Amino acid sequence: DTGVSQDPRHKITKRGQNVTFRCDPISEHNRLYWYRQTLGQGPEFLTYFQNEAQLEKSRLLSDRFSAERPKGSFSTLEIQRTEQGDSAMYLCASSRPQGRGNTEAFFGQGTRLTVV
Amino acid sequence: GNSVTQMEGPVTLSEEAFLTINCTYTATGYPSLFWYVQYPGEGLQLLLKATKADDKGSNKGFEATYRKETTSFHLEKGSVQVSDSAVYFCALSVPMDSNYQLIWGAGTKLIIKP
Repeated sequence: DTGVSQDPRHKITKRGQNVTFRCDPISEHNRLYWYRQTLGQGPEFLTYFQNEAQLEKSRLLSDRFSAERPKGSFSTLEIQRTEQGDSAMYLCASSRPQGRGNTEAFFGQGTRLTVV
Repeated sequence: GNSVTQMEGPVTLSEEAFLTINCTYTATGYPSLFWYVQYPGEGLQLLLKATKADDKGSNKGFEATYRKETTSFHLEKGSVQVSDSAVYFCALSVPMDSNYQLIWGAGTKLIIKP
């Protein structure tokens, strides 16, 4: 399977704990995105990498959130001191530039986080 | 600002019915427009796209036409199947700093009954 893969698929954690999610993009894609999706809503942009450089971060991304892509391949998203409001589906997507914004983003199946 | 508005769901239809899911947008410049589909328990998949006015995107029997004059990109299918039950998201792509960013609608849940 050469699609975007995310691990784990589900994570239940106690409030205050730290969690880390992993995303493996499609191998030839140099762009990687993290989104958050809550029930009944569309995805909300969190952050974006081009190769290993984190080029953009949403204001939604508080200082408890950090993302890395150390070698320009896989990426990790860490949430420190989780809160119940962090409960959501965390989606990773990757893409290859195709010019004028018509880039197709390929999504993973997501990591569903539940903070209890 | 840039935004996407979709009709609220759920939309419930019988098999073989005609489907329309409305999508309108507000954007500066000339965005690209997309429909993504999310089947239960799965990630988002691109269904179709259109990159300029009057383009028609089509895939799996679904169609949508980029209408600049009405700022719309309505999704249509002539005869739906039970397997089309999913959540459908309309999105637009606009340049933002160093990137093209996807702006999403809230999604429309489609339920097809046999």
